[in-house]
Parts: sequence; C-alpha cells; structure tokens
Amino acid sequence: DTAVSQTPKYLVTQMGNDKSIKCEQNLGHDTMYWYKQDSKKFLKIMFSYNNKELIINETVPNRFSPKSPDKAHLNLHINSLELGDSAVYFCASSHVDRVSYFGPGTRLLVL
Amino acid sequence: AQSVTQPDIHITVSEGASLELRCNYSYGATPYLFWYVQSPGQGLQLLLKYFSGDTLVQGIKGFEAEFKRSQSSFNLRKPSVHWSDAAEYFCAVVGTGTASKLTFGTGTRLQVTL
Repeated sequence: DTAVSQTPKYLVTQMGNDKSIKCEQNLGHDTMYWYKQDSKKFLKIMFSYNNKELIINETVPNRFSPKSPDKAHLNLHINSLELGDSAVYFCASSHVDRVSYFGPGTRLLVL
Repeated sequence: AQSVTQPDIHITVSEGASLELRCNYSYGATPYLFWYVQSPGQGLQLLLKYFSGDTLVQGIKGFEAEFKRSQSSFNLRKPSVHWSDAAEYFCAVVGTGTASKLTFGTGTRLQVTL
C-alpha cells in the first residue's frame, strides 16, 4: 500500500515538449506539495495545495502548472520543456501535524 | 526567513563507528525540525521529528537527534553505523502555519567503509 505515489518514475523527452506528472496520496492528508531536486541534490518547494487550494507558489516559471482535482491528487503539467527542467520532482503530502511524506520521485531528463 | 545549514557536505565513517551529522537552523520561533534520509535513486524517508517537549528524540533505524535551542542546532546521531546507512541525509525546518514552507538543508552524504 503505497502512501504517496507518482507516475511516471522516469520521463525522457525532447526540448519544447509538454509533459505531465501525476501524484496520488492515500493518507487522507489535506496538503500536497511539489518539490524539485536539482543535480546537486538541493530540494526546493515549488507549489503547495491545501484542500485543493493553492497556498504556496514559489518563483516557478509559469510553464509549470499544478492542478489538484481533489484532495488526494496533485498533478504537475510542464509546457515547453527546457534543458534546465531536468531534475527529480517529488510529490509530498502532510496533515495538520506538518510531517511530510514523500513519493518516490519522477526523474525528468530533457534532451 | 527560515534557513537550514548542514556544514558537512560529505562524511565517511567506518562501519561500527559512531556518527554525528550537524544541522543548524534559523527561525524566529521554535520550529518543527526533521531529519530525512534519501538512499540512491529513492525518495525521502522520515527518520525523526521534533515538535516540542523532550529535546532528545528517537527515530527509526537507531537514529536519535538532540534539539539545542541555545545553539540553534538539531544534530543527528547514531552510536554504531551500518553499511546500509550510506545515503544522503537532509535536515529540514517548518513553521506552524499552513503556508509555512518545509525548508531543507543542502544535505550530507554519508559514506560507510567496511
């Protein structure tokens, strides 16, 4: 029983393409997040949704658009992919106790 | 703004030796503090957390951490390291508000020699 799951695990694509990453959590949490981990392993938050409402939107290019159809899902759509978008993207969720649980990550490589 | 500093980028210890990974934070009030571990190619797993109360917290896999307010530190320790502990370790801080962001340190890579 995976708590936070992401698909796909690997994503290799060409520059200029549009791609989506899906995330689902079965923990009953109210808040979900997207993080980006760069090649130096640095983790930075991109977005946060609480009960389907966007509450954190870091300085992320508007080519990145999160969508939360319900509390259990948070998807990330990326338009016009660039080389610099290559990274590992982690989905996470948390409840009121502020403890975040992370998905396995999606490794995106833009060629 | 909150921040986390992990001064050691890379640490190598022998199997069976003790371990201490350093973490210093900056936050206006008492924060929530966490240690996460990331094995190669894997996601992040929570090792332990500190919210309040006893400043020495126990986690999974034999890890513990001590919160020292006077030093703004939350160092991670393990008395005897196993080869399977080789991984990247992240310290993180978050405030109590819903809009507070979980902020990570830059990580410490632990290598274990046999």
